[in-house]
Amino acid sequence: GAVVSQHPSRVICKSGTSVKIECRSLDFQATTMFWYRQFPKKSLMLMATSNEGSKATYEQGVEKDKFLINHASLTLSTLTVTSAHPEDSSFYICSARDQARASGNTIYFGEGSWLTVV
Amino acid sequence: QKEVEQDPGPLSVPEGAIVSLNCTYSNSAFQYFMWYRQYSRKGPELLMYTYSSGNKEDGRFTAQVDKSSKYISLFIRDSQPSDSATYLCAMRRTGNTPLVFGKGTRLSVIA
Repeated sequence: GAVVSQHPSRVICKSGTSVKIECRSLDFQATTMFWYRQFPKKSLMLMATSNEGSKATYEQGVEKDKFLINHASLTLSTLTVTSAHPEDSSFYICSARDQARASGNTIYFGEGSWLTVV
Repeated sequence: QKEVEQDPGPLSVPEGAIVSLNCTYSNSAFQYFMWYRQYSRKGPELLMYTYSSGNKEDGRFTAQVDKSSKYISLFIRDSQPSDSATYLCAMRRTGNTPLVFGKGTRLSVIA
């Protein structure tokens, strides 16, 4: 079945540094990918919609200059957390929609990336 | 009122029991309904996908959508300890729109 891969699965970084998380659709093309954030025991919160070849659309309250999204190809979107702070520590998950499938609207998720800022 | 309401539980059942999970929603524009299973510290895994109203069965899992009542359900038959996880309902409108999630229900199946 369709697979979405995320890398790295875990990362620890120092406060003030930047971290890049990659999201790849492995066997399908995704013109749109979504980035979510999840706090412990909480549901997924949509951060932004990543569109191939154009600027991402950010949800209200999400700082676009802090969470840089680049969707350079039909199979890759990246999320860069800039000048990370401890409050940015969270579980970041990407998802992609397999538009080519007969179901047409199935959305698959990556395994997620645990970010810890120390 | 939130767009999607889901009882967070926790729900604890004995092995072999039938589990019923459900969500209600307020936006009549939702057309696509999904259930995801999420194990601790992992990404959500798609379990069931349903378009509009109706039932869908896959092995031990049955998903039901009642758009007139804005109510969706997931049934798990012969529940197993390995089913212990958080179950998230999710739904979306037509077009390239993101999913809207419920809070998730934590399920524990006790052997």
